[in-house]
Amino acid sequence: DGGITQSPKYLFRKEGQNVTLSCEQNLNHDAMYWYRQDPGQGLRLIYYSQIVNDFQKGDIAEGYSVSREKKESFPLTVTSAQKNPTAFYLCASSRTGDNEKLFFGSGTQLSVL
Amino acid sequence: GNSVTQMEGPVTLSEEAFLTINCTYTATGYPSLFWYVQYPGEGLQLLLKATKADDKGSNKGFEATYRKETTSFHLEKGSVQVSDSAVYFCALSYQAGTALIFGKGTTLSVSS
Repeated sequence: DGGITQSPKYLFRKEGQNVTLSCEQNLNHDAMYWYRQDPGQGLRLIYYSQIVNDFQKGDIAEGYSVSREKKESFPLTVTSAQKNPTAFYLCASSRTGDNEKLFFGSGTQLSVL
Repeated sequence: GNSVTQMEGPVTLSEEAFLTINCTYTATGYPSLFWYVQYPGEGLQLLLKATKADDKGSNKGFEATYRKETTSFHLEKGSVQVSDSAVYFCALSYQAGTALIFGKGTTLSVSS
């Protein structure tokens, strides 16, 4: 079955530590996105990528980094510069030119120890 | 700028009640409008969409009409079920190649 997979489901970060959230899709989609979800604030865009080896900052990119070396994968690193990383992180993908219909993963809950 | 505003929740209803969740938008040009639903512990799923003024999107008993004159896209369902309990997000797309803009979400809780 085609889909988008995020791992791990739960992740804990220590002070000063970088952590990486995985996102893999086998839908052959060109575009991939990372959103952060906080209670009462909805979804806010962190980064997105329309094509391999290219990505753009979203509204809240500070303290985060991404790479897009393969079409199937779009990992997100939460760096130590992100002072408030506790949130639910959602990865999504879409076909190029059809950014309207997003397919979402089941999310990763990141918490700070 | 482009934005989406949803009514604040939570919305608490009894089974078989009528549902309305308000959504208004601000956008340049002629955006496409969407409702996404998020069940507990999951990602979002597209519920319905409308791409031009006066279009009605519908799915699973839910409906929403794109009203350009009031810049609104309110979600309605005539008779809710317990299984409809979820968070509902209104969203817009104002330009191809850009990411969707989401509202803050409205939590719906339906009791039997």
